[in-house]
Amino acid sequence: QMQLQESGPGLVKPSETLSLTCTVSGGSMSSRSYYWGWIRQPPGKGLEWIGSIYSSGNTNYNPSLKSRVTISVDTSKNQFSLRLSSVTAADTAVYYCARPYGSSWYSAFDVWGQGTMVTVSS
Amino acid sequence: EIVLTQSPGTLSLSPGERATLSCRASQSVSSSYLAWYQQKPGQAPRLLIFGASSRATGIPDRFSGSGSGTDFTLSISRLEPEDFAVYYCQQYGSSPWTFGQGTMVEIK
Repeated sequence: QMQLQESGPGLVKPSETLSLTCTVSGGSMSSRSYYWGWIRQPPGKGLEWIGSIYSSGNTNYNPSLKSRVTISVDTSKNQFSLRLSSVTAADTAVYYCARPYGSSWYSAFDVWGQGTMVTVSS
Repeated sequence: EIVLTQSPGTLSLSPGERATLSCRASQSVSSSYLAWYQQKPGQAPRLLIFGASSRATGIPDRFSGSGSGTDFTLSISRLEPEDFAVYYCQQYGSSPWTFGQGTMVEIK
């Protein structure tokens, strides 16, 4: 059973860069290709898709965040990462990494990490 | 981007009752790429339905999805105590993927 786990600082200062890593266990990222995703949820609010990365490294970002987001993948470490630059309080949220149910770009997310809370504050 | 509007915002029902949740899209969702998720406090979302009507692995058959184009419905035939949660729809047919604002199903 594949599992995902987010890790990274829980507190980031305004204007700095948020960096999170998602570690995949229970399976190799190299064995089958997926569009691995990042989704966030501000406290008490709904879900927002941040972007996705294919196992080969191709990315697709939400236009609302595209200028500040970088997603990368390291299949040798079974990890993929999120960087969000120039953060403000509006970026305070629980950040989830997720894997879709199929290898197609058109797949919903069926495996989720537990989420990690990131607070932007000085 | 496609905006998803869920209704009602809150649904107050008793265990054993039927729940009907609506998700309306601002434009047609390509190939019915519409999913439903359940989220409980402090937990990650759980995929219930994909492709508008296909149940994800391990999801009880009391959950069913229907609809196409711009109008989609999630039905829970008989509410169990563990079904009281927030439900989100998501479209993944047109980038950026978007989610509805959620419907809370609470115990009456």
